[in-house]
Order: sequence, then structure tokens, then C-alpha cells
Amino acid sequence: SQQGEEDPQALSIQEGENATMNCSYKTSINNLQWYRQNSGRGLVHLILIRSNEREKHSGRLRVTLDTSKKSSSLLITASRAADTASYFCATNSGGYQKVTFGTGTKLQVIP
Amino acid sequence: DAGVIQSPRHEVTEMGQEVTLRCKPISGHNSLFWYRQTMMRGLELLIYFNNNVPIDDSGMPEDRFSAKMPNASFSTLKIQPSEPRDSAVYFCASSSGGSQETQYFGPGTRLLVL
Repeated sequence: SQQGEEDPQALSIQEGENATMNCSYKTSINNLQWYRQNSGRGLVHLILIRSNEREKHSGRLRVTLDTSKKSSSLLITASRAADTASYFCATNSGGYQKVTFGTGTKLQVIP
Repeated sequence: DAGVIQSPRHEVTEMGQEVTLRCKPISGHNSLFWYRQTMMRGLELLIYFNNNVPIDDSGMPEDRFSAKMPNASFSTLKIQPSEPRDSAVYFCASSSGGSQETQYFGPGTRLLVL
């Protein structure tokens, strides 16, 4: 199974609302990243949080990491229709730059 | 920078034919990754190179798949012979190493094997 499992698999919200996506993983990690994928496009890196960090912000994005629970969450505040996309968490572990992607959360923001 | 470049963007071929996908990573990046994405299996890492050397090819499905990186600016993923179940979007990504380990993805090649 995938190292990262996102929850929920799909999420539909109204524009202006906050969207929260969760990611759980199984093994120890060096860092965890969140990526966004618009339909028919490649993935775009959003934010990276290291194993010794608990929270990180970037614009309207807030990421938390709980290594004791092996979980992370991505919060998008004041969502916009343009945030409609699939969001993936990716964990990095081991000595090389191997990154394992989760199954993704499909977010729909309704205008 | 032009970003990661992949070609072709779309490929339609018949079962049994050879397919070659190409990738040009971002200049200066020393790691390159090939992924396959399908609805059923999600995003799968096929192989990744560091300094042109294959580090982990455990994700390569079978012997029909092969990947090369003859130099720092070019990589190929070849499928021979192709089968309908190989139909997917194939992404190439590169990263610069160091502490960031952010991967930059190309636009992907959409492959359809009939």
C-alpha cells in the first residue's frame, strides 16, 4: 500500500470556506511534502515540512506534522475556485531522495 | 528556466510497438524521476537517477520497461513491446538535491496503447 494515505478522498466546499486534508504514513520520515495537481497537468510543489517541525505556513496554506501519530494536515484558508485540484502528500525517507506519494484528495471549490 | 521538458505530450500506438518517452530535466538538477499515473494505481515511482546513475528501479513493472540517462540533460523511458495496460500518464521530475528535495514535474506524456 502507499506510504501516504490522504483523507478524505474527495472534498467539495463553497468558495471562501476552509479546506482541510489529512495524510497518514507508516514509517519514519525525513520530511513530508504537499503537492497540487490540476487536471491534466503535472504536480506542483506547495510546501515542505521537516520531521523536526510541527507547523509551517505559506500564504493561505498551513501544514502541520505530528510525527508521533505519523500524520500531517494541509489547511487551505479562504478557498477559491482556482484551488480546485487534487492534493497529494509525499513522504521522504531514507538516505536518497526517494519520495513516496499518497493517493490524493480531490478538492472541488464551488464558486 | 524552461522547467522539465517531456516529449511527446501525447502518444497513441498499437500493442506490440516500441514506445520511447523523453525527458529533459531542469539544468543543474542532479536527480531525475520517472512516474506513472493511472486512475487505478495512482502515482507510482518507476525509477530514479542520481547523477545519471539509476539508484532505485524497483518500481519498473517488468522487463518490457527500461530507462536510461546517458547524460545530465536527457533521459528516456522505453517500453518494448507495449501493451494496453501500459496506457497511463508518464511524468518525469527532477530535483537539485541538497536539503530541499523538492521535485519539479514535467507536463507528462499521455500514452494510449490500443
